[in-house]
Amino acid sequence: DVKVTQSSRYLVKRTGEKVFLECVQDMDHENMFWYRQDPGLGLRLIYFSYDVKMKEKGDIPEGYSVSREKKERFSLILESASTNQTSMYLCASNQGQPHEQFFGPGTRLTVL
Amino acid sequence: SQELEQSPQSLIVQEGKNLTINCTSSKTLYGLYWYKQKYGEGLIFLMMLQKGGEEKSHEKITAKLDEKKQQSSLHITASQPSHAGIYLCGADGTGTASKLTFGTGTRLQVTL
Repeated sequence: DVKVTQSSRYLVKRTGEKVFLECVQDMDHENMFWYRQDPGLGLRLIYFSYDVKMKEKGDIPEGYSVSREKKERFSLILESASTNQTSMYLCASNQGQPHEQFFGPGTRLTVL
Repeated sequence: SQELEQSPQSLIVQEGKNLTINCTSSKTLYGLYWYKQKYGEGLIFLMMLQKGGEEKSHEKITAKLDEKKQQSSLHITASQPSHAGIYLCGADGTGTASKLTFGTGTRLQVTL
């Protein structure tokens, strides 16, 4: 059974902290994605990776960075968390066109 | 950039009733993906449509892509409480399935 896991379901951090969100997939997928989901704005792509050590900016990369050292793991990093980064973060993976993306359960991050 | 508009934004139906959710794209679609999300959780893949005029069904849910590949509809027959959730459409505007644009979602409630 296909599985995408995220390190935390809920996370509370303080402004200025460095935050790591981890995502692991067990399907040997080439592509991995990070989205954030906010009410009224839907899902917005932050970054994606199409291979180990490869990354591309999505629609809203400002304030974020990513790391993909191994094929199965894709990390989202908030270098200095701010309150406007309070959101639901969703990780996904797929094997490329035309295959669907498989999503993790999400991490609800609150920055105080 | 591609934009997706979903309608209605929210819907309350009585159990047993039929309903339709629409997804309209500002550009021609290479692929259209339908997902369901339970509140606070990740997205569950429902169906993918690629060809103009294509129609797919799974249990009581039918999705169609129009001939011009700019609009899709999701139809639920004889709704049940298990159908409740948020339905999102995702568009592949590049043909690679690597960058999906999502609509803002339709929140469905099914009353007894």
